Amino acid sequence: GQNIDQPTEMTATEGAIVQINCTYQTSGFNGLFWYQQHAGEAPTFLSYNVLDGLEEKGRFSSFLSRSKGYSYLLLKELQMKDSASYLCAVRDLKGAGSYQLTFGKGTKLSVIP
Amino acid sequence: DADVTQTPRNRITKTGKRIMLECSQTKGHDRMYWYRQDPGLGLQLIYYSFDVKDINKGEISDGYSVSRQAQAKFSLSLESAIPNQTALYFCATSDPTEETQYFGPGTRLLVL
Repeated sequence: GQNIDQPTEMTATEGAIVQINCTYQTSGFNGLFWYQQHAGEAPTFLSYNVLDGLEEKGRFSSFLSRSKGYSYLLLKELQMKDSASYLCAVRDLKGAGSYQLTFGKGTKLSVIP
Repeated sequence: DADVTQTPRNRITKTGKRIMLECSQTKGHDRMYWYRQDPGLGLQLIYYSFDVKDINKGEISDGYSVSRQAQAKFSLSLESAIPNQTALYFCATSDPTEETQYFGPGTRLLVL
C-alpha cells in the first residue's frame, strides 16, 4: 500500500512564495503528480515528476527526491486565484504495464491580501 | 465541449434506492476511473477499467458496481444507497502514454 502525507491547510500572502510538501511511502514508485482543485470543481493537472530534481512551469515548480520519498510544490508570486486545494498523487507500479494513482488528502491553501 | 462528462451533476436520493452515475469521454482513452471525495479524506479510488473487458476494484469498492459499456462510457451504480455514500463522485480517464488523468466535473450525491 501507500502512505501519502501533506499538510492539511496553509495560508500565504498575495505576491509571496509558498512551498507545499508531500512525503510518501510506496513499493513501486512510478511518478508523482500535483493537481490543483478549486472548491467544488474537478482536479486539474499541474505537474509531473518521475526523476529527481526540479520541474519548472511558469509560476509553479515541483521538486522530487525519490531516495527521501519527498516532493514539494512551489508557488511563486501568489495570486488570489491560487486559493485552492493542492493534491499530491503517487503512481504505483502494480504489475506488467499496470499502474495505480493514489491521492493524498490535499492541502488547502488560502491566499490573503 | 468538455472531454469528460458526467450525468447527473447533482442527485438527491433516499436510502435503499438504486442509482446510476454515468461518465462519457471523447478523448479516446482506454483507461477510466471512478473516485469519491469526502471532506478531509481526499480522493479515493472506487473502481477502474483499463479497457472494455478489464474491470478492477479500487480501495473502496464495497457497495458499488460498475459497467464499461464501451470505450467511451463507464457507469457507477449504487445498488442500495446508504447515507454514508453521500459524497462528490469524479470520473477520470487516462492514456497509458500520457502522464496525467483527466477528470470530469463531478456528481454531487446526497443520500437521505
